[in-house]
Amino acid sequence: EPEVTQTPSHQVTQMGQEVILRCVPISNHLYFYWYRQILGQKVEFLVSFYNNEISEKSEIFDDQFSVERPDGSNFTLKIRSTKLEDSAMYFCARERGGRSGELFFGEGSRLTVL
Amino acid sequence: AQSVSQHNHHVILSEAASLELGCNYSYGGTVNLFWYVQYPGQHLQLLLKYFSGDPLVKGIKGFEAEFIKSKFSFNLRKPSVQWSDTAEYFCAVNTASGGSYIPTFGRGTSLIVHP
Repeated sequence: EPEVTQTPSHQVTQMGQEVILRCVPISNHLYFYWYRQILGQKVEFLVSFYNNEISEKSEIFDDQFSVERPDGSNFTLKIRSTKLEDSAMYFCARERGGRSGELFFGEGSRLTVL
Repeated sequence: AQSVSQHNHHVILSEAASLELGCNYSYGGTVNLFWYVQYPGQHLQLLLKYFSGDPLVKGIKGFEAEFIKSKFSFNLRKPSVQWSDTAEYFCAVNTASGGSYIPTFGRGTSLIVHP
């Protein structure tokens, strides 16, 4: 069983629409990551979240993206105005220990932008 | 920052064949290395990891990987694959110091094993 649960498993949206992807960790942890994988390409880092704040973000994570932990438990990744190139698999992961690099992933959310 | 290259994008094998998937990274300092596997319809899960010590690392399901520092490589091997090994395999690296502790992934290798 994955240690984080992601919803939805698949979302289809129209270009320009807002999308919210959710990540629910099974237990409380400090370090979380969002990655994405465009079909056929590498798994790319988006953003890391430590102790309820953004720790690091990549060049991909521009103003279109935001992350929140609104209730201290669930994470959300929001894409404000989706573009065709946002179509990808989005993975949430929590990190084992502090900066070990060992990640426990959710099952991913597939986003299709039409 | 570090980067990871996986040279084999698609591998097709018959059961009982031997497997070796290539992984090279670019970073001159100390690294932590990982192989993850994603079975069809499932989440990415850790197959094995190298932090330090014996460069030959054994993981789950008979997989092993060898860290060769001089070649910046961490190739994944299995002497005899099974149909159930059909999956996507990802190599990843992070660094404890100097580079980025953010795990960097390769593009993955799709393995199909025919029964």
